[in-house]
Amino acid sequence: EIVLTQSPATLSLSPGERATLSCRASQSISNYLAWYQQKPGQAPRLLIYDASNRATGIPARFSGSGSGTDFTLTISSLEPEDFAVYYCQQRSNWPPVLTFGGGTKVEIK
Amino acid sequence: QVQLQESGPGLVKPSETLSVTCTVSGYSISSGNYWGWMRQPPGKGLEWIGSIYHSGSTYYNPSLKSRVTISVDTSRNQFSLKLSSVTAADTAIYYCASRPGAAFDYWGQGTLVTVSS
Repeated sequence: EIVLTQSPATLSLSPGERATLSCRASQSISNYLAWYQQKPGQAPRLLIYDASNRATGIPARFSGSGSGTDFTLTISSLEPEDFAVYYCQQRSNWPPVLTFGGGTKVEIK
Repeated sequence: QVQLQESGPGLVKPSETLSVTCTVSGYSISSGNYWGWMRQPPGKGLEWIGSIYHSGSTYYNPSLKSRVTISVDTSRNQFSLKLSSVTAADTAIYYCASRPGAAFDYWGQGTLVTVSS
């Protein structure tokens, strides 16, 4: 089973700062990686799919990069509404099993 | 606009079977896509439970496989989750979602299921 490790667990930043979140896979997953944002009391929202493609309606300040085992979600300049928990998720080819990382909480410093 | 809505019992007794249904609107399940179930214990992270293709093929989380059944009812545009022999550890918000590729693009708002006697 592929394990996704997210770091850091918590990121304390101020509005306007750049956020860099990491997701590392225990083995290569090509580019089958997605990023989600979750706010309290809400369902997760898809931000990035296939490692670097923004989902519909997602602002350009969100970008994803990486392939193989190391992936990054970057928020270029944090807006107040960006403070939330972020999860990465992978899908392996065979068996078609999906896993989520443990999450990174982006909090206001 | 695709919308998903979970419906469930709210409270299930230990050792019984949890059943949750997801009703899809704005898209016909039989047209394609994978459809999935996730859960999130209070204050914890997300866990994938399993997925079903519109044709009925299923894929389950190995850690839950022995207790999980996911089915689809195309006539009602619904898909369902059954989790047997539940314990307090199965208390969680259960989400359904659609997955056209490798990622879940549309999610339901989630339904809290508590396992307690």
